[in-house]
Amino acid sequence: DTEVTQTPKHLVMGMTNKKSLKCEQHMGHRAMYWYKQKAKKPPELMFVYSYEKLSINESVPSRFSPECPNSSLLNLHLHALQPEDSALYLCASSQERGRQTQYFGPGTRLLVL
Amino acid sequence: GIQVEQSPPDLILQEGANSTLRCNFSDSVNNLQWFHQNPWGQLINLFYIPSGTKQNGRLSATTVATERYSLLYISSSQTTDSGVYFCAVDNYGQNFVFGPGTRLSVLP
Repeated sequence: DTEVTQTPKHLVMGMTNKKSLKCEQHMGHRAMYWYKQKAKKPPELMFVYSYEKLSINESVPSRFSPECPNSSLLNLHLHALQPEDSALYLCASSQERGRQTQYFGPGTRLLVL
Repeated sequence: GIQVEQSPPDLILQEGANSTLRCNFSDSVNNLQWFHQNPWGQLINLFYIPSGTKQNGRLSATTVATERYSLLYISSSQTTDSGVYFCAVDNYGQNFVFGPGTRLSVLP
């Protein structure tokens, strides 16, 4: 099973809302990733968790707050987002960080009004 | 940081044609992957290929790490091959960087 699942598939939120994106994998992978993808652009890395510890934070604004409650789950908490944060948010996992195949979930399409 | 370029940016093919997509990178890498992103946004793994040659059906890929490029070959293209093809590289755990992609349209 090489499946990464993400919920919700679509999300519309106002700038004052608080919401969370969820990602789950059951492949025993110890690295998990959040990416942001704007239309007609490549995915850009936001956060990397390795063994449930945050190891890379690519200068992402604090209105995005990641959480890794256990080795199978990854959350992205959203608060006070801006319209320019509207994008496809992709989760991925790999066996270890770096030299391994990354498997991607289907993404959450976020619209901030 | 590492730079990744892909060419061509856009490609239109007739069904049944063959094509070659190229990925150049600016530094040594320990991870290189090719992905196909379908119209719904799903990124599908094609190859994990930091070096060497691999084949999977109508697709094959070659990475020449010493010369810092990788090629993706698509033979006998089908309309379902349409989408965006990305290569992405990791230079020893620093980051996983995607190239800008090649947008492929296969016409029936």
